Amino acid sequence: AQSVTQPDIHITVSEGASLELRCNYSYGATPYLFWYVQSPGQGLQLLLKYFSGDTLVQGIKGFEAEFKRSQSSFNLRKPSVHWSDAAEYFCAVGPLYRYNNNDMRFGAGTRLTVKP
Amino acid sequence: EADIYQTPRYLVIGTGKKITLECSQTMGHDKMYWYQQDPGMELHLIHYSYGVNSTEKGDLSSESTVSRIRTEHFPLTLESARPSHTSQYLCASSASYGYTFGSGTRLTVV
Repeated sequence: AQSVTQPDIHITVSEGASLELRCNYSYGATPYLFWYVQSPGQGLQLLLKYFSGDTLVQGIKGFEAEFKRSQSSFNLRKPSVHWSDAAEYFCAVGPLYRYNNNDMRFGAGTRLTVKP
Repeated sequence: EADIYQTPRYLVIGTGKKITLECSQTMGHDKMYWYQQDPGMELHLIHYSYGVNSTEKGDLSSESTVSRIRTEHFPLTLESARPSHTSQYLCASSASYGYTFGSGTRLTVV
């Protein structure tokens, strides 16, 4: 069965430091992979997605992620974190092919705290 | 800029009341979803729709019901709210791959 694991429930980094959020997936084929960010009291916003091709994908707000098939991972990175990056981050995998539609499964999320 | 809207943003309601959470999107997406989200937990799919007059229950059992009479509108109804229904409810829509989410409704049942 398809699944997504985000091993870190909560991460704290200092402003200006680099960031890496981990995501591991279980999937029978090459998945489509997504990272979403959720600010407090808001819905989820798409940061970036991987479908095929270059395994390093660039997203909005200076984020990037690298697909590593051998490690079943899709880790999110940012070279220098800003205080406004404090939020909850969700990794997602798809398609699930529910009734031939392209649904997704989400991880439990990683909460990022940014110290001044 | 989000083109999917949820109302209300916050709702506090007494046990036993009937409530409807509204979700509307202006993108013409056929697929729409309702997720329930609790702190520290993954998003749980409770309902989805692939088009008008199409609704299905999701992975997480829910006492709520949904309807899809128009493409743009996907309301969720609780006939009799209970404290166990306290949660955040997120609506999303999709044309192909990737979802667009609304801002959510935080429901508290007292």
